[in-house]
Amino acid sequence: DTAVSQTPKYLVTQMGNDKSIKCEQNLGHDTMYWYKQDSKKFLKIMFSYNNKELIINETVPNRFSPKSPDKAHLNLHINSLELGDSAVYFCASSGQGNQPQHFGDGTRLSIL
Amino acid sequence: GEDVEQSLFLSVREGDSSVINCTYTDSSSTYLYWYKQEPGAGLQLLTYIFSNMDMKQDQRLTVLLNKKDKHLSLRIADTQTGDSAIYFCAESTNDYKLSFGAGTTVTVRA
Repeated sequence: DTAVSQTPKYLVTQMGNDKSIKCEQNLGHDTMYWYKQDSKKFLKIMFSYNNKELIINETVPNRFSPKSPDKAHLNLHINSLELGDSAVYFCASSGQGNQPQHFGDGTRLSIL
Repeated sequence: GEDVEQSLFLSVREGDSSVINCTYTDSSSTYLYWYKQEPGAGLQLLTYIFSNMDMKQDQRLTVLLNKKDKHLSLRIADTQTGDSAIYFCAESTNDYKLSFGAGTTVTVRA
């Protein structure tokens, strides 16, 4: 009965590969997000979708492509992975307006 | 983040109170949040306060907001070893975006 669930929890892959991270929320929220946490623990928003519509895109390289098939899912596809993509990626969701955001447990991406 | 600032480290003795401070720059912030991250874990929403409030208390947690000075604090009473974690202050500047501070690492010593 996890509220925001991400898969996989760990992802180790080689530079140049393409990978996807999936996120699902069962909270009935309208808005979902992807955040990146770097090695210094700094968190920065990447994307946000509201009812399957992109509303925030924070100058993320176009190798990163979010996809929201329905409002309960927001997946993140990354092409041509680079060393600098190594980070923890967090998915979050929130209700309408400024409701608190609830986070998943993160996906730890390591690029070899 | 550059818009939200926190001290990076806090060491506290078990049983004492911890106070974590945060300053933010955007006067249009509507909600301010405290999240907790334990090692290797995700972000847990601890508490939040609406910008028209001065104080919010929730069991051992007390949040104080000084909107004039754009200063937010989190007090943890009777700090326990399980409170050792990174604490993030965050502000919501519009309907959909959170800006986070760099996090304060709290270490509880016996």
